[in-house]
Amino acid sequence: DAGVIQSPRHEVTEMGQEVTLRCKPISGHNSLFWYRQTMMRGLELLIYFNNNVPIDDSGMPEDRFSAKMPNASFSTLKIQPSEPRDSAVYFCASKPGQVVGNQPQHFGDGTRLSIL
Amino acid sequence: AQSVAQPEDQVNVAEGNPLTVKCTYSVSGNPYLFWYVQYPNRGLQFLLKYITGDNLVKGSYGFEAEFNKSQTSFHLKKPSALVSDSALYFCAGGSQGNLIFGKGTKLSVKP
Repeated sequence: DAGVIQSPRHEVTEMGQEVTLRCKPISGHNSLFWYRQTMMRGLELLIYFNNNVPIDDSGMPEDRFSAKMPNASFSTLKIQPSEPRDSAVYFCASKPGQVVGNQPQHFGDGTRLSIL
Repeated sequence: AQSVAQPEDQVNVAEGNPLTVKCTYSVSGNPYLFWYVQYPNRGLQFLLKYITGDNLVKGSYGFEAEFNKSQTSFHLKKPSALVSDSALYFCAGGSQGNLIFGKGTKLSVKP
């Protein structure tokens, strides 16, 4: 079975540009999560969805960040305008069932974002 | 506030020796606990989980973890370390709320 698929794997762009990260969750998984990983701050939860509905976006650092899940098989994380401090690895994860529950999350291999 | 702590930033072990990566938790109610492993340029991979039942949980790649309620710990163990076990390990826990991840422990296994 295909795992969580993220694209692109690497993105290098100049500050001020719009960045869109994409995620395809595992088929049948109801919950989807976006994380950011940096050396300084570790793994941070940004936002999560259940049945395509955003449940909690309190981890989104600023209004420059937005996320959507238009259907069960696709989600985007957008940064506009981007800044150098947004440079990080962004992970998408999905799990079956509810957000709160004992099923493990399955992670994609991430998008390494570099803002120059 | 709920939390998951990994007190060691790095653990160094010689190949063939047993390894332990420590995790303690502060989670209300009955916790469920996970261990994940992250290899370079990859996402986190699920290793094992504890929900209820036996305190010793066996997982992938020969890893196991021991749940200790009185010490609120969930340490990851392996009887004989391999160089290929070198990676970043994350403990995570939850109960009523969303999953909380520790900050990670880098395991280095030297030949």
